[in-house]
Amino acid sequence: ETGVTQSPTHLIKTRGQQVTLRCSSQSGHNTVSWYQQALGQGPQFIFQYYREEENGRGNFPPRFSGLQFPNYSSELNVNALELDDSALYLCASSALAGMSTDTQYFGPGTRLTVL
Amino acid sequence: AQSVSQHNHHVILSEAASLELGCNYSYGGTVNLFWYVQYPGQHLQLLLKYFSGDPLVKGIKGFEAEFIKSKFSFNLRKPSVQWSDTAEYFCAVMGNTGKLIFGQGTTLQVKP
Repeated sequence: ETGVTQSPTHLIKTRGQQVTLRCSSQSGHNTVSWYQQALGQGPQFIFQYYREEENGRGNFPPRFSGLQFPNYSSELNVNALELDDSALYLCASSALAGMSTDTQYFGPGTRLTVL
Repeated sequence: AQSVSQHNHHVILSEAASLELGCNYSYGGTVNLFWYVQYPGQHLQLLLKYFSGDPLVKGIKGFEAEFIKSKFSFNLRKPSVQWSDTAEYFCAVMGNTGKLIFGQGTTLQVKP
């Protein structure tokens, strides 16, 4: 069984640029959730995608957007990058979108540095 | 508002010592609770979870956690830690929105 994969591993951008991060979900999972983990903090929920639709969003501005594809892989796009966007971005896949009994499995993350 | 509080930010233990990491949550409805671990250089891994039933939950690698509803707590325990348990530990709660709310994390350092 293939686990959750993310690309790229590391990325360096400058303020104002745009970035796209990618995630492939675990086999058999149809839901992808994205989290931002700042240094020394716990992950913060950005949004969740289920069947190619956004299925819940955290307290992040609209310049954070996403997509989910028919094969359940997903992208996270961040426009107009700010220094505070520097963080580890985690993707998690699961099979029970929006349900409290959902169990999310995480990928290795993409480390984004904004200069 | 939903929140999770982990009281110990940095814990240092010697091998064979017993471990207890505190976790308290704030949520008005039915909660499901999780402990995740992040070993150095590795991704977040699920240690254990509680949905219902026996409040004492056993996870991988000898870890267990006890759900005490009256105290809004879900503390993680291990009778005897090993050097390989050095990692960051996160408690999380999921309500009916499908999103995980994480605590700030506890860094555990085990000295050989």
